[in-house]
Order: sequence, then C-alpha cells, then structure tokens
Amino acid sequence: AQSVTQPDIHITVSEGASLELRCNYSYGATPYLFWYVQSPGQGLQLLLKYFSGDTLVQGIKGFEAEFKRSQSSFNLRKPSVHWSDAAEYFCAVGETGGSYIPTFGRGTSLIVHP
Amino acid sequence: DTGVSQNPRHKITKRGQNVTFRCDPISEHNRLYWYRQTLGQGPEFLTYFQNEAQLEKSRLLSDRFSAERPKGSFSTLEIQRTEQGDSAMYLCASSLGAGDNQETQYFGPGTRLLVL
Repeated sequence: AQSVTQPDIHITVSEGASLELRCNYSYGATPYLFWYVQSPGQGLQLLLKYFSGDTLVQGIKGFEAEFKRSQSSFNLRKPSVHWSDAAEYFCAVGETGGSYIPTFGRGTSLIVHP
Repeated sequence: DTGVSQNPRHKITKRGQNVTFRCDPISEHNRLYWYRQTLGQGPEFLTYFQNEAQLEKSRLLSDRFSAERPKGSFSTLEIQRTEQGDSAMYLCASSLGAGDNQETQYFGPGTRLLVL
C-alpha cells in the first residue's frame, strides 16, 4: 500500500528566509505526487504536481518541488517565505492506473515569524 | 467557475442522529471525491464517483456511511446513527476525470461535523 511521510509536524521560519518541507513516499511504481496547502477555514489548494518528465516542478506562489526517485522524496521549497505562507502543507501520492486516489501525509504546519 | 461548494459548512448533531452533507462540484467535472479529515491529520479518502457511478466505496468507514450522486452532478454523503468518533471535517473534491494531466482535484471548503 502506498504511504506518505511528512517527518516535520511544525516548521518555524522567519519571513524572508528559505523553506524546505520534507516528504517521503512509498509506492511500487512511478508515483503521481502532489503538494497542497490548507489555510484555516479553507479547502485544500493545489500548489504543484508531478506526473512525469522534468523532476523539478514549479508551482504557484513561488513554490517548487523536486522528485528524487532514489530517495523516494518530493520536497517542497521556496526561496523566500512571506507571512501569508503560514498554513498547513500536505504532500500526497496518487495511485496510478486510473483512479488517482491520493494518500495524504499528516501535514506540516508552517509558522512564519516577522 | 464558482469552485466546489459544500453545505452546510458546520453541523452539530446529537449522537444517534443521521446527517447528510451536500457537495456541488465544478460544473464540467466528471469525478467527485469524498474525504474525511480529523484534527492533525491529512485527508482520508472515503469514496469517489465517475459521473453517477460509484467506482470505489470499500474505504467508507463503516456501513453507516453512504454516498450518492444520482444525476452525475451534486453528491450527498450520509452518516446514519452518528457517533462521537464521526466528528471531523468532511471534504469534497472534483476533477475533470479525462486523463493523467487532468487529474487535479479541486477541494471544497468542507463541512465540519460535531457529534455531541
């Protein structure tokens, strides 16, 4: 069965600092990988996705992620964090073969200090 | 495109009561998904529809949970005989359902259920 591990429950950064959120997955085939962001009281918003091709994926709001097959990782990065980036971030791996059912990690809560 | 909408946004009920939640997907989307999210966890997949067909329902949490999408548009999720452990956020998402690169799921704001 597929699984996703987000090892950091909370991450605290200063505004303007760089950010990296870790995600490791377990899946038997080439995975579909996603990062979502959830702000309080809001639904999940897709930041970026990887299906195939270039392993460095650009997303919205200045985020990027890199798929590393050898490390089973899909870490999310941003060079300079804004206070509005404070939210919950979820990594997910999607089933291939038609259903695209995602399995989500437990999330990482990003706290941004001014 | 008005996005995915869910009603009600909040529901408080007493244990043993039945509750029903509604999800209206983005209009041209063929697939509709239901998830449950408990505090401190990521969303947990429950079931999904391709148009009106329910293609996966084995992950519904118990036989007290059921979902319908009778005309391939909106969907309802019903929980019968609610228990306190059912308290959670119930999320709906929709997607085009047309192929790999179309499978971005767009999420609604969720319905927060509290069972007393």
